[in-house]
Amino acid sequence: EAGVTQFPSHSVIEKGQTVTLRCDPISGHDNLYWYRRVMGKEIKFLLHFVKESKQDESGMPNNRFLAERTGGTYSTLKVQPAELEDSGVYFCASSQDWDRTDTQYFGPGTRLTVL
Amino acid sequence: DAKTTQPPSMDCAEGRAANLPCNHSTISGNEYVYWYRQIHSQGPQYIIHGLKNNETNEMASLIITEDRKSSTLILPHATLRDTAVYYCIVRVPMNYGGATNKLIFGTGTLLAVQP
Repeated sequence: EAGVTQFPSHSVIEKGQTVTLRCDPISGHDNLYWYRRVMGKEIKFLLHFVKESKQDESGMPNNRFLAERTGGTYSTLKVQPAELEDSGVYFCASSQDWDRTDTQYFGPGTRLTVL
Repeated sequence: DAKTTQPPSMDCAEGRAANLPCNHSTISGNEYVYWYRQIHSQGPQYIIHGLKNNETNEMASLIITEDRKSSTLILPHATLRDTAVYYCIVRVPMNYGGATNKLIFGTGTLLAVQP
């Protein structure tokens, strides 16, 4: 069974540009999560999808970040316009809805560098 | 903020058992204890979780004290590949009445397995 995949693995962009990160969850996982770690900080939650609906977006830092999950399969996280402080590693995780204790499985992350 | 306290670092000799402690003195009755680890540059990896009984799987054992105020993750025969930051997280999954499924990562314990 394939794990959570993320694309791209690395992205380097200029301040003010737009970047879109993609996450493909484990097949059949209804729950999808985005987290990030910025330099020197702890891993922080961004948001949680259940299928195509946003269940919890309390961790989204501001309106420059837009997450979507059309059709309830893969998800995208767009940053527009990117700022220097957005640099970090963005992780995606997924879990099965029937797993009542919600074990989350993480992807390898996308390393974003904003210059 | 994380609701757990862990030592910042620990060493362990290869082949020996690694015992990683976690203090969660304010844990509530329906909060589960989860352990994840992050090997350098990879996404967090689920290890094990429990509520009040001790648990064992192919990766590790989890010992939770009777009062549930602390727990210990045991890697029975540590290898160099177990060198990682280990995170102890407590939360109530939404399926059990929690408000959110987000994982709150603290600073974790850096386990260095020495040859």
